[in-house]
Parts: sequence; C-alpha cells; structure tokens
Amino acid sequence: NAGVMQNPRHLVRRRGQEARLRCSPMKGHSHVYWYRQLPEEGLKFMVYLQKENIIDESGMPKERFSAEFPKEGPSILRIQQVVRGDSAAYFCASSPPSSDTQYFGPGTRLTVL
Amino acid sequence: AQSVTQPDIHITVSEGASLELRCNYSYGATPYLFWYVQSPGQGLQLLLKYFSGDTLVQGIKGFEAEFKRSQSSFNLRKPSVHWSDAAEYFCAVVSGGATNKLIFGTGTLLAVQP
Repeated sequence: NAGVMQNPRHLVRRRGQEARLRCSPMKGHSHVYWYRQLPEEGLKFMVYLQKENIIDESGMPKERFSAEFPKEGPSILRIQQVVRGDSAAYFCASSPPSSDTQYFGPGTRLTVL
Repeated sequence: AQSVTQPDIHITVSEGASLELRCNYSYGATPYLFWYVQSPGQGLQLLLKYFSGDTLVQGIKGFEAEFKRSQSSFNLRKPSVHWSDAAEYFCAVVSGGATNKLIFGTGTLLAVQP
C-alpha cells in the first residue's frame, strides 16, 4: 500500500506567482489534512477536507489560499500571488473514515524568491 | 484551548544512552496523543499513539511513551539510543470536535554523539 504522495517535493516560485501543491492520500483514505511548517516551528493545521467538501478551514489564511479535494484526483492546495512569508514546508496527511490517526506525506518545500 | 508543550528544543545524548523527551499537554477531556519523528528533509512518521487503556504505549523502533494524567504528560523514552535516531520529534494531541486536527508541539531536535 503506497503511502501519502505529495508533489512536487520542492517548488520555487517568484513573488506574485501561483503555487499548486498536490496530495494523493493513501488508498482507502477519504480524509485529507494540510499543515504548514514554518522554519524553526512545529506544524500548524491549515485545512481539513473530505471528498468534495471542506470540513474545517480555520487554519487557512483568509486571502490567497484555497484547497480542494475533488471526487477524482488529488487534493490541491493553491496559493495565489505568493509572498516570501509563504516559504515553508507544506505537509499533507490522510486518514480513513472514523479514525483519529493521520499518516503524513513527505511534504512540499516551497521557496519564494 | 488545547496546547502541547515540548520544553526541550535541543537534546544531545551519547549513542547507547537512554533517552526521555518531554511532552506536556493541555486538554479538557481524555486526550488522544501522538509522537511523530521527522528526519531531515522528510515527512513525519508515526512512532506511537495513545487513545485509552494501558498508559504505557509501545511504538516502533524501540520507543515507548507513558501517559500520566496527573502530570498532563506523555513523555517519550528509549532505553538505548542509536545514531539513526537523530531527528526531530514532535508530540501532538487531537483537538477534539468533528475535525480531529492535530495540535503539535514545537519539536525537540535530538542529536546523537558517537
């Protein structure tokens, strides 16, 4: 059973560009979580999605950030008009229904120049 | 509000020595607690978890953790550290409610001396 897949692993963007981060959950997992890890900090929750639904986006910045988890395909975290402060590692985690255990992907390290 | 505190930012131990990483939590009800390990440039790997029952939990790679409600602690231990254990360790608690989002501590960076 393949683990949680994230791509790209590294992403470089210039200020003002868009960043798209993709996450494919483990097989059988319908719940996806996104977390952000800023340099020298722990992980902070951003958003929780189930297929075609955003359940909790309380950790998402109000502007420029959006997330989706369509019926088919990976979950996407989209950051529009990136700024230097968006440079971080973004981790996706997945869990099966009715489980409290999350399994993490390898992360996407975003660098904004 | 729920929170997790890892008091030690950096710890250095000698290979073969015992290890204890501290974690304190703040949570109103019985917490669901986790320890994850992150190797440099990698994602997080689940070491162990506590939901209920026996307060001493065994995990992978020879790690164990003990839940102590009276001290609001969930410390991670290993009797003999290996050089490959050098990594960053995160304690986390499930926030509760409908989302099960994780609240993480700031991590403890473990260095292992030969």
